[in-house]
Amino acid sequence: EVQLVESGGGLVKPGGSLRLSCAVSGFTFNTYSMNWVRQAPGKGLEWVSAISTGSSYKYYADSMKGRFTISRDNAKNSLYLQINSLRAEDTAVYYCARGVGGPELWGQGTLVTVSS
Amino acid sequence: DIQMTQSPSSLSASVGDRVTITCRASQDIRNDLNWYQQKPGKAPKRLIYAASSLESGVPSRFSGSGSGTEFTLTISSLQPEDFATFYCLQHNKYPYTFGQGTKLEI
Repeated sequence: EVQLVESGGGLVKPGGSLRLSCAVSGFTFNTYSMNWVRQAPGKGLEWVSAISTGSSYKYYADSMKGRFTISRDNAKNSLYLQINSLRAEDTAVYYCARGVGGPELWGQGTLVTVSS
Repeated sequence: DIQMTQSPSSLSASVGDRVTITCRASQDIRNDLNWYQQKPGKAPKRLIYAASSLESGVPSRFSGSGSGTEFTLTISSLQPEDFATFYCLQHNKYPYTFGQGTKLEI
């Protein structure tokens, strides 16, 4: 069974950092590009970042450049998102998604809440 | 960046109705467009890829059309389980961009 399971979310103070993880199983991870997408409470979907199979190419939404870093470990079948200098507006559910022609298969998400 | 303008933002309909949702791209994206359905508290699910290809297991009442800058998602006969929020996404160029969403309500 194909599974994507996000973790690492939680309550963080403004200015803090967080590393989100996505553990995958049921498919050959190193043959798929991967994405992060977020959704603020009550709002629409916002694409965050993508990474190629071998990590050579990384892409970010304009508003995420500089504070967000995507990475992957193909040996561990895992995707990561490092977020620094967290702001209240980063509060959202963060989804990882397998990507072939855009996000295709999604995890259930992990909630990040930025509040003092 | 490519802007995706989705309309309407909300839509009231009844079981059995035919509904159409539109997405317009700010530049030519060929057919690099997907449609997603999201129900409350759940992850999005891809319904349509490459503008008009139906995802495996998705009922045939869903269809997509268009290319270039104008795209539509049509539900031919609404079923109770179809009431949800729908999003388009362009994956022609990074950064990928979503439409604002259409909430389909009874």
